[in-house]
Amino acid sequence: GENVEQHPSTLSVQEGDSAVIKCTYSDSASNYFPWYKQELGKGPQLIIDIRSNVGEKKDQRIAVTLNKTAKHFSLHITETQPEDSAVYFCAAPPSGGSYIPTFGRGTSLIVHP
Amino acid sequence: DARVTQTPRDKVTEMGQEVTMRCQPILGHNTVFWYRQTMMQGLELLAYFRNRAPLDDSGMPKDRFSAEMPDATLATLKIQPSEPRDSAVYFCASGLVLAGLSTDTQYFGPGTRLTVL
Repeated sequence: GENVEQHPSTLSVQEGDSAVIKCTYSDSASNYFPWYKQELGKGPQLIIDIRSNVGEKKDQRIAVTLNKTAKHFSLHITETQPEDSAVYFCAAPPSGGSYIPTFGRGTSLIVHP
Repeated sequence: DARVTQTPRDKVTEMGQEVTMRCQPILGHNTVFWYRQTMMQGLELLAYFRNRAPLDDSGMPKDRFSAEMPDATLATLKIQPSEPRDSAVYFCASGLVLAGLSTDTQYFGPGTRLTVL
């Protein structure tokens, strides 16, 4: 099955700085890579995703990059704000017809005002 | 704005009692996932349904947990008997899998916080 590793487990930045979270995966056939944001007391919510036919996708202050050769993808948040403080999860699907994604362990991002 | 709903939001019970958690997936979605989240284990998949059929429940303790989808609008997760180690937040998520796509976005509910004393 798929193995997803996510780093760092915690990330503390000052407001306005950039934050980068990286995930590596093991199954080279994986082709869909979502990022979820979980705020305190809520369920994870999709914030951005990328499919394997593109290398980068941006949505305002967040972007995701994908390196299929190296089998890693990263979440980039620019101009961080206190409301970006949350736990972020990456996920990657296994191949072989299974539709069950494997989630990373999560990164707790803290943005200090 | 379509959302996954879960009830109850919070449940406190005593060891040995039966607990039933309910989930209403987004209308039209054909996959349902049950997850358990704890600080130590992160997000653990308990069960996965597609078109109401259980396809994977390998992460679920079979002796006390059961998951069902009586119809397309309701998924249930039952624990009987409950134990203190079952204390966690349980999330339901739904999605739409189309032929030819390996996966799609999961839409999570707000979760049920279970405390077993």
